[in-house]
Amino acid sequence: EIVMTQSPATLSVSPGERATLSCRASQSVSSNLAWYQQKPGQAPRLLIYGASTRATGIPARFSGSGSGTEFTLTISSLQSEDFAVYHCQQYYNWPPWTFGQGTKVEIK
Amino acid sequence: QVQLVQSGAEVKKPGASVKVSCKPSVYTSISYGINWLRQAPGQGFEWMGWISTHNGDTNYAQKFQGRVTMTTDTSTNTVYMELRSLRTDDTAVYYCAKDVPDPGHDAFDIWGQGTMVIVSS
Repeated sequence: EIVMTQSPATLSVSPGERATLSCRASQSVSSNLAWYQQKPGQAPRLLIYGASTRATGIPARFSGSGSGTEFTLTISSLQSEDFAVYHCQQYYNWPPWTFGQGTKVEIK
Repeated sequence: QVQLVQSGAEVKKPGASVKVSCKPSVYTSISYGINWLRQAPGQGFEWMGWISTHNGDTNYAQKFQGRVTMTTDTSTNTVYMELRSLRTDDTAVYYCAKDVPDPGHDAFDIWGQGTMVIVSS
């Protein structure tokens, strides 16, 4: 089973600033990596898949990069609605698909 | 946009079974894959398995083999997930989630609202 590790656990950022979130896989997952945003009490929303493809309706301030074992989600200028928990997921080797433990982006 | 609507919260005793349903908000003749995942309180996501609405093929995580069954009712477009022999550590929010339509990408673009399952004596 591929283990996904996200860092940091919590990221404190001021509105308008850039946020950079990391996700590492225990073995290569090629570009089979997705990012989700989850707000309290809500289901996740798909942001990025294929490591760098934005899902339908996702603003351009969200971007994904990386391949192999190292991935990054960048939010170029944080808006108030972006404060949430972000999860990465690999879909290279199944079963099972596996997720990281999440990074909470909070207001500084 | 199509939404996935899940059944309501459940409270079960250890050893019991639970069956959660997941149905699209509008009828669609398009076949797709539905995944079931769960999120225990304060934890990350755990993928449980996948079912095809086209032919009912399934693929379960080894952890749940023998304890989970996923089925589809094509007449109502509804997908079900049954988990048996419940334990207290099965307490979680259970989600259904649809595969993205892009071939070769098994990310999940539409999620149900979640179903809270509490297992307690």
